[in-house]
Amino acid sequence: DTEVTQTPKHLVMGMTNKKSLKCEQHMGHRAMYWYKQKAKKPPELMFVYSYEKLSINESVPSRFSPECPNSSLLNLHLHALQPEDSALYLCASSQGSGDHSYNEQFFGPGTRLTVL
Amino acid sequence: AQSVAQPEDQVNVAEGNPLTVKCTYSVSGNPYLFWYVQYPNRGLQFLLKYITGDNLVKGSYGFEAEFNKSQTSFHLKKPSALVSDSALYFCAVRDTRDNYGQNFVFGPGTRLSVLP
Repeated sequence: DTEVTQTPKHLVMGMTNKKSLKCEQHMGHRAMYWYKQKAKKPPELMFVYSYEKLSINESVPSRFSPECPNSSLLNLHLHALQPEDSALYLCASSQGSGDHSYNEQFFGPGTRLTVL
Repeated sequence: AQSVAQPEDQVNVAEGNPLTVKCTYSVSGNPYLFWYVQYPNRGLQFLLKYITGDNLVKGSYGFEAEFNKSQTSFHLKKPSALVSDSALYFCAVRDTRDNYGQNFVFGPGTRLSVLP
């Protein structure tokens, strides 16, 4: 299985809602990532989990809260978002971390989030 | 800090002609270089990477890229373009001195249009 899956594919939420994005991989990868991508722009790194521990938080607002329940799952909890948070949210995974910096990342199809 | 430039926002090429998508990079150490392709409303798909060794790297779907250390470039090429190659292409770099070994830096992207 060389796939990263993400649910839901689309999400529309109000600014007072609480929702979660889910990501799953069964490739045995130990590093998992959340990216935010605006239209026609490159992905922007949000969070990195390495061996189920948060290793990078790129100064993301606290209304985004990541969680890594186990080595195969990654969640992104959303609360009190703003309309400017509307974007494509991409999950990715890669083998290892640290010295394994030559490993490519495998991306999921993304969740298209719209905040009203 | 590492950075990536893709000097062309848009590349147009006729089907059957060779294509080149340009990428230049800046790192303090040695680079690991990657190319990804993104189709509309999809995640990023890995095409190829350069780690070390042969400067000409072959990847998926007939793509190849040439690493040129003196020019700090890693241009993506294909001998004969297909209409189905039309997509958004991202170059990415990791610095081998990056202690976390996890953070990609993406270029701004180049939109490739292959005309029938």
